[in-house]
Amino acid sequence: DTEVTQTPKHLVMGMTNKKSLKCEQHMGHRAMYWYKQKAKKPPELMFVYSYEKLSINESVPSRFSPECPNSSLLNLHLHALQPEDSALYLCASSQPRTSGSSHLYFGPGTRLTVT
Amino acid sequence: SQKIEQNSEALNIQEGKTATLTCNYTNYSPAYLQWYRQDPGRGPVFLLLIRENEKEKRKERLKVTFDTTLKQSLFHITASQPADSATYLCALDLRDGNKLVFGAGTILRVKS
Repeated sequence: DTEVTQTPKHLVMGMTNKKSLKCEQHMGHRAMYWYKQKAKKPPELMFVYSYEKLSINESVPSRFSPECPNSSLLNLHLHALQPEDSALYLCASSQPRTSGSSHLYFGPGTRLTVT
Repeated sequence: SQKIEQNSEALNIQEGKTATLTCNYTNYSPAYLQWYRQDPGRGPVFLLLIRENEKEKRKERLKVTFDTTLKQSLFHITASQPADSATYLCALDLRDGNKLVFGAGTILRVKS
């Protein structure tokens, strides 16, 4: 199984709502990532978890809260978002790149619209 | 400042020709460089990886080169097909833990 799954596919939320994005992989990867991508722009790294511990936070606003409950699951909790947070949110996984490079497996993304 | 630049305009080529996409970077020292394909509304899909001490890598119709002196990678698709139409992203694998930084991508359109 070389698939990363993400739910939901689409999400529309108001600025006062709380919602969560979910990501799952069963490839035994111990690094998991959240990227944000706006139209015609590159994916921007938000968070990296390595061995279920947060290793990189790219100065993301606190209205985005990541969680890694176990080695297969990654969540992104959303609260009090702004319309400019509307984007495609991509989850990815890989082997941790401790001694060399490994590529990322991306999920299909969650299209988020904040109204 | 740090930059990754890919052809900002779409590349339109005829079926059967070779497509060449460029990735230039400034003020980075990547240990590796990766290329991904992204279709509209989908997540990127990995294509090829090349190390800083490799000059060239091939996989089927794909070839990538990496020149750390010029700070440039070239990505070639030979005998291109309409199904190759997509956005192609280069990504720098930095020496900073698990950080992979992407360029904005080049849109490739292959016409039959």
